[in-house]
Amino acid sequence: DVKVTQSSRYLVKRTGEKVFLECVQDMDHENMFWYRQDPGLGLRLIYFSYDVKMKEKGDIPEGYSVSREKKERFSLILESASTNQTSMYLCASRSYEQYFGPGTRLTVT
Amino acid sequence: GQQVMQIPQYQHVQEGEDFTTYCNSSTTLSNIQWYKQRPGGHPVFLIQLVKSGEVKKQKRLTFQFGEAKKNSSLHITATQTTDVGTYFCAGHDRGSTLGRLYFGRGTQLTVWP
Repeated sequence: DVKVTQSSRYLVKRTGEKVFLECVQDMDHENMFWYRQDPGLGLRLIYFSYDVKMKEKGDIPEGYSVSREKKERFSLILESASTNQTSMYLCASRSYEQYFGPGTRLTVT
Repeated sequence: GQQVMQIPQYQHVQEGEDFTTYCNSSTTLSNIQWYKQRPGGHPVFLIQLVKSGEVKKQKRLTFQFGEAKKNSSLHITATQTTDVGTYFCAGHDRGSTLGRLYFGRGTQLTVWP
């Protein structure tokens, strides 16, 4: 079974902090994705990656950066967290279909 | 840019009633995928349709891909409480099966017992 894991299920951070969200997949997928999910807005793509060290902006990259140093790991970085980044963050990897991680619910206070 | 619209946003039905959610793309898609997200869970892949006019069934669920490959629907016959959740459609741009999926905003289904 494909497994996508995320480093935290719940996270509370203060405004201005640098935040790292980690995602690891165990199926050697080349493509990995970071989404945020907010009520009524569905899944919005932040960044995605085709391969190690490769990244592409999604629809809402502002305020975020990513890192993909190893194939299995894709990190989302909030350089200076703000309250409007309070959200559910979902990581996914894919070959045929997308496999999602359990999500990290981030609260920025 | 590419947009995938999904309606309705919410649907409340009584158990036993049918349910349909519709998905429309601004451009031709190479395929359409459907996902289900249970309350408190993460999206889980249900099915992929690739061919123009394709219809696939999974028990009480019927999935259709339009002839022009720009729209799709998911129909659930005789809903059950286990069908509760949000259903998302998602597609790849024509000519691309790699890379990003374009997701609709989802239809949240509530089923009254």
